[in-house]
Parts: sequence; structure tokens; C-alpha cells
Amino acid sequence: KAGVTQTPRYLIKTRGQQVTLSCSPISGHRSVSWYQQTPGQGLQFLFEYFSETQRNKGNFPGRFSGRQFSNSRSEMNVSTLELGDSALYLCASSLGDHQETQYFGPGTRLLVL
Amino acid sequence: AQSVTQLGSHVSVSEGALVLLRCNYSSSVPPYLFWYVQYPNQGLQLLLKYTSAATLVKGINGFEAEFKKSETSFHLTKPSAHMSDAAEYFCAVSDSMYSGDMRFGAGTRLTVKP
Repeated sequence: KAGVTQTPRYLIKTRGQQVTLSCSPISGHRSVSWYQQTPGQGLQFLFEYFSETQRNKGNFPGRFSGRQFSNSRSEMNVSTLELGDSALYLCASSLGDHQETQYFGPGTRLLVL
Repeated sequence: AQSVTQLGSHVSVSEGALVLLRCNYSSSVPPYLFWYVQYPNQGLQLLLKYTSAATLVKGINGFEAEFKKSETSFHLTKPSAHMSDAAEYFCAVSDSMYSGDMRFGAGTRLTVKP
């Protein structure tokens, strides 16, 4: 089976712009979670989507949003980018049932200038 | 929400020596606990997880962890370090019955000296 894929792998944006990141889960997985990883804050949970519905949400401002499509692919959007949004954004997928293992993608590295 | 604390941001061991990475959780009820490894410029890979089936959990690459409720700990060990074990290790906890929401520790960078 192909693993979790994320596109693009690297991205450079300027403050005030918006960005959309994409995640394709492992085939058959219905849950997709997003995490932000920075040197200062570490790994932080953004949100989880399951069957096109947001099931869990972390403590991030409304500028961070996401969605999931019927084929389980997910996108994450960040509007009005700030310098502090520079991070590695990781996507993870799982079957979505009781404590199924999450499998992580390689991440998208976002640099905001 | 539950949280985990990893003691020691950097651990250095010699090749062949015991690896011990510490993790304590904050919970009054049995949590779901995980250890992940991250190699440079890569995503996270699951080493092992505790879901109350057994207190001693064996994972991949020779790693194991023991859940100790009395100490609220879930330390990761490996009897003999290998150069390829050099990476960053994250302990994580979930208080959800679903696996989609995990809270990570700050991470421990393991260095293995030849």
C-alpha cells in the first residue's frame, strides 16, 4: 500500500497570503489528522477529520481550517499568514476506529517571509 | 486534556549501551500512550503503543516500553543502541477513544556515539 502523501513538500509564502496544503491518506483510511511542528512549540494537534466531518479540534485560531473530501483526501488552509506559521505541517491517517494506529506523511515545510 | 512530559531533551549513549528515554503522563484514568520516532526531514513512525492490553509493550526495532501506573510513567528502552537509532523520539498521549487527537511531548534527541 502507498503511504500517506503530502503536497507540496516545500512552500514559501509571504505574510498576509494564504496557503492550502494537501494530504492523501492511505487507501481505506477514513481519518485524517493535521499537526503543526515548530522548534518552539513542538508538535501540536490542529484538527482531525473523519468521513468528511471535523471530529476533533486543537487550540488554533480560526485562520487554520480544513476539510475532507469524499475520497478521504484532506486539505488544510491557513489564511492571512504570519511569520509564526512557519513550520512543518504533518498529516496522519488511520482507519478512524478505536485507537487505530496513525500513519504519518513526510510533511509540508512552510516558510513565511 | 491529558499531557506527557519527556525528561531530557537530549540523551547520548554509546553504541551497544542501554537506551532509556523517559516519559511521564498526567492522567487519573488509563490513557492511550504512544512512542514515535522521527528521522531528519521525515514524518513520524510509530514505535509502539499502549492501549491497556499489557503493561510491557514491545515495538519495532527492538524497542519496548513499560506502563507503570504507580509512577505514571511510560519509559522507552532498548537493550543495545545502534547507530541507526539516532533520531528524535516523541512520547504522545490520547484521551480519546479514537486515535486522531494526540498530544505530544517535547521530544528527546538521541545521539549514539561509536
